[in-house]
Amino acid sequence: AQSVAQPEDQVNVAEGNPLTVKCTYSVSGNPYLFWYVQYPNRGLQFLLKYITGDNLVKGSYGFEAEFNKSQTSFHLKKPSALVSDSALYFCAVRDSGSGNTPLVFGKGTRLSVIA
Amino acid sequence: DAGVIQSPRHEVTEMGQEVTLRCKPISGHNSLFWYRQTMMRGLELLIYFNNNVPIDDSGMPEDRFSAKMPNASFSTLKIQPSEPRDSAVYFCASSLEGLGGLGYTFGSGTRLTVV
Repeated sequence: AQSVAQPEDQVNVAEGNPLTVKCTYSVSGNPYLFWYVQYPNRGLQFLLKYITGDNLVKGSYGFEAEFNKSQTSFHLKKPSALVSDSALYFCAVRDSGSGNTPLVFGKGTRLSVIA
Repeated sequence: DAGVIQSPRHEVTEMGQEVTLRCKPISGHNSLFWYRQTMMRGLELLIYFNNNVPIDDSGMPEDRFSAKMPNASFSTLKIQPSEPRDSAVYFCASSLEGLGGLGYTFGSGTRLTVV
């Protein structure tokens, strides 16, 4: 079975400080990992993904994520947070060998960047 | 491409009424997903289709919910009769499955309020 955990419901960070939103996953094979962002009254938007290759993945809006196989983690990071980064962030996973089974989404982490 | 298009954006209806939500996926995508988002339960997968065929509807909460995909460019989610606990934001997403590593494109959602 596939699962993903976002251990923090809420993350608060001061503008200009680095931010981290945590995600851990469980799959039986190799994972495909995704981060999505949801702004108020909007649908989820794709940020970045890890399929294979470099463990450090760069995405939209200056975000990046590091795939750590030994810790089964895919934490989202940004060196310097902006107030406009305040949103709901979702991690998602799929087992690469699972065919067309749907992505499994975490419960989301609300990021609040304070000016 | 205009992305995944959902209508209506907002729907307010009285308990007991039939509600139909609509979705137009991205042209060329062969998979379509219906999600429901609430504060309490987060993002829940209701049903998904591959090549217009329903694959898994185990997330549909009750028989009051039904979904169809008569062709590759249109899907509906119907609730009959509606109840106040159905109030939520309903998202449609589409993807090009079969390649595993592709993510989903979400619509902007339909905010349903049942009074």
